[in-house]
Amino acid sequence: GNSVTQMEGPVTLSEEAFLTINCTYTATGYPSLFWYVQYPGEGLQLLLKATKADDKGSNKGFEATYRKETTSFHLEKGSVQVSDSAVYFCALFDVDSSYKLIFGSGTRLLVRP
Amino acid sequence: DGGITQSPKYLFRKEGQNVTLSCEQNLNHDAMYWYRQDPGQGLRLIYYSQIVNDFQKGDIAEGYSVSREKKESFPLTVTSAQKNPTAFYLCASSLWAAAGNQPQHFGDGTRLSIL
Repeated sequence: GNSVTQMEGPVTLSEEAFLTINCTYTATGYPSLFWYVQYPGEGLQLLLKATKADDKGSNKGFEATYRKETTSFHLEKGSVQVSDSAVYFCALFDVDSSYKLIFGSGTRLLVRP
Repeated sequence: DGGITQSPKYLFRKEGQNVTLSCEQNLNHDAMYWYRQDPGQGLRLIYYSQIVNDFQKGDIAEGYSVSREKKESFPLTVTSAQKNPTAFYLCASSLWAAAGNQPQHFGDGTRLSIL
């Protein structure tokens, strides 16, 4: 069935370091892909999305490119800040999945000053 | 501002008790969802509703029940049959369920614990 795999955390970086959080997926159709962010004690917020191959989603300095050939949607940011510390979830939506989002297990990012 | 309101923020359940978690949205969204989040894990879908007076089971519906009598409201009842209810519960909504390019909007969650 459809699934999402994320790199395990926590990821600990110093401020202004480069961030990559890996995400790969398995899907039978042509899914839309999402990154969500969860700050402590809060719900999830949409960070960015891509709906077809080679699309690049971007927001707040974060980017991710939909790579169909490698079934990946890695999240990147050139220079992280302390305020980026949160849990990041990769997710896919495929209509074959009964109209639901399938989430990865989340990757915790900790940015130190 | 439009959004999703979940209440209460913290909830405690006694053995054998049913408890109801509230979820209200003013985004005029057709679809609503309930997820369960356990520490270090992703979100698992409990129930979802594509339209008023209709709902479907998700991956872990046992021990839970829902209703969708109004477009704005999608309450979740955690029944005594749910033997391990301690978790963080998240409600979400989207414009309509089949629109894959429409993101889901989330509330701030309810943390349920056993007394």
